[in-house]
Amino acid sequence: EAGVTQFPSHSVIEKGQTVTLRCDPISGHDNLYWYRRVMGKEIKFLLHFVKESKQDESGMPNNRFLAERTGGTYSTLKVQPAELEDSGVYFCASSQGGRGYTFGSGTRLTVV
Amino acid sequence: DAKTTQPPSMDCAEGRAANLPCNHSTISGNEYVYWYRQIHSQGPQYIIHGLKNNETNEMASLIITEDRKSSTLILPHATLRDTAVYYCIVRVWGYSTLTFGKGTMLLVSP
Repeated sequence: EAGVTQFPSHSVIEKGQTVTLRCDPISGHDNLYWYRRVMGKEIKFLLHFVKESKQDESGMPNNRFLAERTGGTYSTLKVQPAELEDSGVYFCASSQGGRGYTFGSGTRLTVV
Repeated sequence: DAKTTQPPSMDCAEGRAANLPCNHSTISGNEYVYWYRQIHSQGPQYIIHGLKNNETNEMASLIITEDRKSSTLILPHATLRDTAVYYCIVRVWGYSTLTFGKGTMLLVSP
C-alpha cells in the first residue's frame, strides 16, 4: 500500500506570506494527524481529524493555522500569515483503529 | 498520557543487540507502551507496541516488566541503519494522540 504522502517536501517563504501544506493519508484511514517539530524542540501534536471532522485541535498554536480535510480524504494545513517561529518540520500521519501511526516524510518549512 | 523517561543517548556495536530502556512508572491499566523511531530527515516510524505481554515482530522485541512500570526495546542485531532517535510512548488504545518526549539517540557503530 502507498504510504502517507506530503507535499511539498520543502518550502521557503517570506514572513507574512501564506503557505499551504498537503497530506495524502493511506487510503481508507479515517484518522489523520498533524504534528510539527520546531528547531531544537520535541515533536508536538497539532490536530486530529476523524474523517472530515476535527476531533482534537488543542495543539494548534494560534488562529494563523487552518487545517481542512474536505471529503475525509487528503488534508491541507495553511499558515497565514507565516511568522519566523513557524519554521520547522510538519509531519502528517494516518491510522485506522488503534494501531500504530504511519507518518509521512514531512514538509520542512523555512520562514525568512 | 503517562510520562516516560529514557536515557538521552546510547551506543551499540553493529551486529550486537541494542537494548533501549524506558521507565513509565505512572502508566495506567489501559495504557499501552508504543515505540517509534525517527531516522534523520524522515518521519517517525512505528516499531512495536504492547500492553503487558512481551511482543516480537520483524523489527524488534518489546519486554514489559510484570508491574508494567518499565520496558525494554530490543533490536537483536543492530545495523548502521538502526541509528535513530527512539521514542517510548504510552497511550490509551484508540484514537488518542502521541506525546513525544526527547527519546534516546541510538548510535550504531561499525
